[in-house]
Amino acid sequence: SQQGEEDPQALSIQEGENATMNCSYKTSINNLQWYRQNSGRGLVHLILIRSNEREKHSGRLRVTLDTSKKSSSLLITASRAADTASYFCANNAGGTSYGKLTFGQGTILTVHP
Amino acid sequence: EPEVTQTPSHQVTQMGQEVILRCVPISNHLYFYWYRQILGQKVEFLVSFYNNEISEKSEIFDDQFSVERPDGSNFTLKIRSTKLEDSAMYFCASSRQGHEQYFGPGTRLTVT
Repeated sequence: SQQGEEDPQALSIQEGENATMNCSYKTSINNLQWYRQNSGRGLVHLILIRSNEREKHSGRLRVTLDTSKKSSSLLITASRAADTASYFCANNAGGTSYGKLTFGQGTILTVHP
Repeated sequence: EPEVTQTPSHQVTQMGQEVILRCVPISNHLYFYWYRQILGQKVEFLVSFYNNEISEKSEIFDDQFSVERPDGSNFTLKIRSTKLEDSAMYFCASSRQGHEQYFGPGTRLTVT
C-alpha cells in the first residue's frame, strides 16, 4: 500500500457526533499534518504534530501520533455540518528539511444536519 | 490574515502549448512548493524551492517543468509543452520554516 493511507475512505455522521479518521504511513517522519479540503477548493492546514509528540489539541480537533505503529488519528468532536469536507493526512518524511509533504488518499466526511 | 493567491483560477490550453501558473506566496515565507491533484487522486508533490533554487523535485517534475521566482513576490510554474495528462489542479504552497504549509486555492489546468 502507499504512504499516508487514510481510513475510512468515507464517513457519514450526524451533527453533534464525533468523527474519527485514521492515517498510516510507511517511513520515518519529522512531522505529520492534517489538512481539510472543501469540494473543489484549496487545502486548509488544520494541525501539525511532531514526531516526538503523542497528542495535540486545537479547538475541536484532537490528533494523536503513534510512531511505533506509524499511524495517526484525527478526532473532530461535536461535528457540525460545516465540517463536511475531505480530510487528508500528509507526512514530512525524515531526512529533509525542506518540507516535502506526502499526502494520503483522504477521508470524505459528511456531516448531516 | 495573509494568504497564498494563485492565478488564473482556471486555464484551458491546447496540447503542446506552454502555460505559466502564477502564485503569490505569503510575504514573510521562505519555502515555496508546487503540488498537483489529478481529479479523484491524491495530492502529489512536484517541487520545493528555497533560497532561489530548487531544493527537491519529484519524478513528475521532468524537463517540461520549471519554476521561477522572478521578483520578491511571485512564484511561477511553467509547463513548456503541455500534455493531456497534465490536466489537474495545481496548488502552490508556502511555509515560513518548512513545516506548516499554507496552500493557495489552486489553478485548474485543462489540456485539450
